[in-house]
Amino acid sequence: QVQLAQSGAEMKKPGASVRVSCKASGYTFTSHAIHWVRQAPGQTLEWMGWINAGNGNAKYSQKFQDRVTFTRDTSASTAYMELSSLKSEDTAFYYCARPGELGFDYWGQGTLVSVSS
Amino acid sequence: DIQMTQSPSSVSASVGDSVTITCRASQDISTWLVWYQHKPGTAPRLLIYTTSILQSGVPSRFSGSGSGTDFTLTISSLQPEDFATYYCQQANSLPYTFGQGTKLEMK
Repeated sequence: QVQLAQSGAEMKKPGASVRVSCKASGYTFTSHAIHWVRQAPGQTLEWMGWINAGNGNAKYSQKFQDRVTFTRDTSASTAYMELSSLKSEDTAFYYCARPGELGFDYWGQGTLVSVSS
Repeated sequence: DIQMTQSPSSVSASVGDSVTITCRASQDISTWLVWYQHKPGTAPRLLIYTTSILQSGVPSRFSGSGSGTDFTLTISSLQPEDFATYYCQQANSLPYTFGQGTKLEMK
């Protein structure tokens, strides 16, 4: 069965960077994109962008364009999201998700990133 | 960016009731509309895509309709496991955007 397993919670100070991993199993990793979505406390879901797991091309939401980088390691069937210059407003659950026919049909369990001095 | 507006922001209902949630897009998105159910501590669950197609495994008491800018999610005969927050998402154009959510609470 398809599973996306994310790395554990992170606590960071403002200005630092964080990297979240998303290990895929149960399907051919390079055949599907991986999207990243976050949810800050009390806020709605926010799409950050996506990476083509096959060729590594990434597209970012303009909001995060300057601070986020998506990469993948095909040998490990793992996608990564790195967010830099962290601010307190970046405190959120970060999810990886696999697109289906439309929308995201498989999601990781979420990774809580807390940013505080 | 396309703005998605859901109403109501919260609704109280009882087991067995029927509930309708609406979602309005700031521009025409045809039928590129998705609905999710989200419970605390879990990942969002895809319920309906392309406005009205039920995701595999989703009970038939969930239904969706609409086109253009106005969409609805209806849950008939509410079950205890249906109490959650529901989000719409437009998949018409990047950046994908979500509604602010509708919290369905038990009366």
